[in-house]
Amino acid sequence: KNQVEQSPQSLIILEGKNCTLQCNYTVSPFSNLRWYKQDTGRGPVSLTIMTFSENTKSNGRYTATLDADTKQSSLHITASQLSDSASYICVVRHYGGSQGNLIFGKGTKLSVKP
Amino acid sequence: EAGVTQFPSHSVIEKGQTVTLRCDPISGHDNLYWYRRVMGKEIKFLLHFVKESKQDESGMPNNRFLAERTGGTYSTLKVQPAELEDSGVYFCASSQDPFGEQFFGPGTRLTVL
Repeated sequence: KNQVEQSPQSLIILEGKNCTLQCNYTVSPFSNLRWYKQDTGRGPVSLTIMTFSENTKSNGRYTATLDADTKQSSLHITASQLSDSASYICVVRHYGGSQGNLIFGKGTKLSVKP
Repeated sequence: EAGVTQFPSHSVIEKGQTVTLRCDPISGHDNLYWYRRVMGKEIKFLLHFVKESKQDESGMPNNRFLAERTGGTYSTLKVQPAELEDSGVYFCASSQDPFGEQFFGPGTRLTVL
């Protein structure tokens, strides 16, 4: 069964600190993996996309990693800001099949406190 | 450029009533998707339009849900009659090609009492 599991479910950190969010998936065949940021009351917005051959990709203070062998990904946020408070969703795309092509995780709710 | 818009932002209805959600995709995007997030669960796929045609509707939960995209522009999702378990946030997304990035709307929060 195609699944995406994220941890932790929620996280509270102080402004300026770093954090790492985890994503494990059992999606096959794998196409790519995206991390989305979803602010309260808004739709998800893509932060990074990783394909099978990519190990690390950065977007400003966000750095995503992918280990295709272990089917794990992480999103590292450096020097957190209050505006980083949001849900972060790991989404894996698979080739073909029914039920659409995107498999979503439940997300990690990050709260950055001053 | 305007993003994906959805209307209404919130809807509260009673069980047995009908509700119609609307999605306006990014102009020029042929691909339009509907998703739903039930409380405590992950976002799940409902269906995919390519222009006015339903490409994949395998995620539609039952025949109480009807999606249309007449003319290949905006889309509507009708729930009739609504049940308690239909409560959740309904997201619409659009993309230029079916394998490209999907851009999401803000969602419609549906509450069925």
